[in-house]
Amino acid sequence: DAGVIQSPRHEVTEMGQEVTLRCKPISGHDYLFWYRQTMMRGLELLIYFNNNVPIDDSGMPEDRFSAKMPNASFSTLKIQPSEPRDSAVYFCASSIPGHNNEQFFGPGTRLTVL
Amino acid sequence: AQTVTQSQPEMSVQEAETVTLSCTYDTSESNYYLFWYKQPPSRQMILVIRQEAYKQQNATENRFSVNFQKAAKSFSLKISDSQLGDTAMYFCAFMNGQGFSFIFGKGTRLLVKP
Repeated sequence: DAGVIQSPRHEVTEMGQEVTLRCKPISGHDYLFWYRQTMMRGLELLIYFNNNVPIDDSGMPEDRFSAKMPNASFSTLKIQPSEPRDSAVYFCASSIPGHNNEQFFGPGTRLTVL
Repeated sequence: AQTVTQSQPEMSVQEAETVTLSCTYDTSESNYYLFWYKQPPSRQMILVIRQEAYKQQNATENRFSVNFQKAAKSFSLKISDSQLGDTAMYFCAFMNGQGFSFIFGKGTRLLVKP
């Protein structure tokens, strides 16, 4: 299995632009998570899905952030409009119930907003 | 609310020596899981070891072992025979028994010196 796939690996954009991050979970995993990692706040859960349905989005910082999961093999995290304080590494992870609760992480997307 | 605290921002150890990374957490729940994840410079999050709170026996994975003190809410990671490849950020993480989301500590940066 290829593991969790994220694209792009790096994204540089200017303030005010729309940014879309993409994630393909491991096949058969029905939980998908989006995390944000910054120096100041560490790793924070933004949102997670079960069977394509958002379960908990309480970690989404504000309305500029939105996430979708149109099918079991694809999810997006969108920031519109982006701001410099959104600069961070964004991780996607997936898991399957009963697998000892282990989450498998993608390689992350490093976002820089100028 | 649950919290996870890693009190050592940075540590170093000589190759082949043993090092212990500290983690404390706070929760009112009795059923939960604890994890240590490793993040090398590649940024990939890698599961190191997992502990179920209901198990009294400390988990062990090759050179990695934990000292789980439930009453003290402590979950330290011991790395024996340290190797250069162990150089990484190490994150302690808490997951409650009902949910699927992690709460991560701020991390400890470990440097293994030759």
